[in-house]
Parts: sequence; C-alpha cells; structure tokens
Amino acid sequence: AQKVTQAQTEISVVEKEDVTLDCVYETRDTTYYLFWYKQPPSGELVFLIRRNSFDEQNEISGRYSWNFQKSTSSFNFTITASQVVDSAVYFCALSEAYYGGSQGNLIFGKGTKLSVKP
Amino acid sequence: GAGVSQSPSNKVTEKGKDVELRCDPISGHTALYWYRQSLGQGLEFLIYFQGNSAPDKSGLPSDRFSAERTGGSVSTLTIQRTQQEDSAVYLCASSLERGGLDEQFFGPGTRLTVL
Repeated sequence: AQKVTQAQTEISVVEKEDVTLDCVYETRDTTYYLFWYKQPPSGELVFLIRRNSFDEQNEISGRYSWNFQKSTSSFNFTITASQVVDSAVYFCALSEAYYGGSQGNLIFGKGTKLSVKP
Repeated sequence: GAGVSQSPSNKVTEKGKDVELRCDPISGHTALYWYRQSLGQGLEFLIYFQGNSAPDKSGLPSDRFSAERTGGSVSTLTIQRTQQEDSAVYLCASSLERGGLDEQFFGPGTRLTVL
C-alpha cells in the first residue's frame, strides 16, 4: 500500500536555526515520484520540488535542501537559516507510475507545521 | 499566465442542499485533479480527469459526489444532499500531463461549510 508518513506534527524554531522535516514513504512501485509542497497561512499549496525514484542525488536550492535515500525510503527536507516567512505547513507527497495503475494523484502525508519565531 | 482558479472561494450551505464547486485549470493542462482537505483526514484525493474522462471514480467518498469536465477545461464537483462531514476545503489541481511526470499546480480552494 502507498503511504507517506510525516512523524513531526509541529516544529517550532527560532529564526536562523536550521530545521529538518522528515518524510518516510511506502510504495510497491519501482518507479515513483516524490514531492514537497508548502502551504502558507494563505492556504494555497506551493510546489517546492519533485524527484523521481531513479534520481537519488541530493538537491539544494538556496536555503532549501532535500535528502533522498531509497535505502531508508526517506525524502527529508532541510531549511538552513530559517526565516519567519518559512512558517507554514509542509507536505510531503508520493505519486506512483501511471503504468502501475496509478492515476498520478498525489498521496500526501499529514503535514508538518513549522513555526519560525523572530 | 493565469493559474488554477476556483469558485466560489467560500460556500456556506445548509445540510441537505446541493452545491457545485468550479475549477478552471491552467490553459492547455490535460490532467485535472480534485482533492479534499479536512482537519481529520488531511489531504485526500477524490477524482482525476484526463481530458474529459475520469477513468476511476472510486476515490469519491460517496454516491452523493459527482464530477464532470467539459471541453477538456472547466470541471465542476457536485455534492448532493450535503452533510456536515462534507465540510472541508476542496482543492483542484492541474498538470500538463498526468501527475508525477509533471508538477501539479493547485488552486486556492473552495472552503465549504455545511451547517
């Protein structure tokens, strides 16, 4: 069965601290895609990153970095030098390959609410 | 260009009434998804359209829910005889092709409150 687990429900940090949001997934497919979305207080889901299952290279984009490890089925997200504007709910999601019967829909974790205090 | 738009942004209705929620995807996007976000259930997938076809409607929570898409563009999600447990934010997303291969762009959602 497909599942995404974000064990951290809420995290609170002080500005400039580094913070890592954990994501563990389950899938039987060998081809799948992993995503992170940000949902600020305004409510709209904002795409952050997509990785496919064949690309385990870590990625860095400014203060954001992602660590994908197939061996542990994890796709963790780190924010370096956090800022107040990073306060939001962050969702990790999984999408399986279409030819495996998937419709390409996203399977979301429950989300991690990050509060960054000044 | 415009993003995904949804209307209305807020809808308050009485239990037992029917409601229609509208989604305008990004022009040219063939895939369209409906999701529901509620406190208890998180983000749940409801239905997927490729063009005007929905190959699998099993994600819809009950037979009171239906959806259609016309002209490969606008989609409407209809909830008949609304119940209080239908209260949630209904999100629409579109992508150039089926999800996974492409990023899904989300609309701002429709907040439905059933009294």
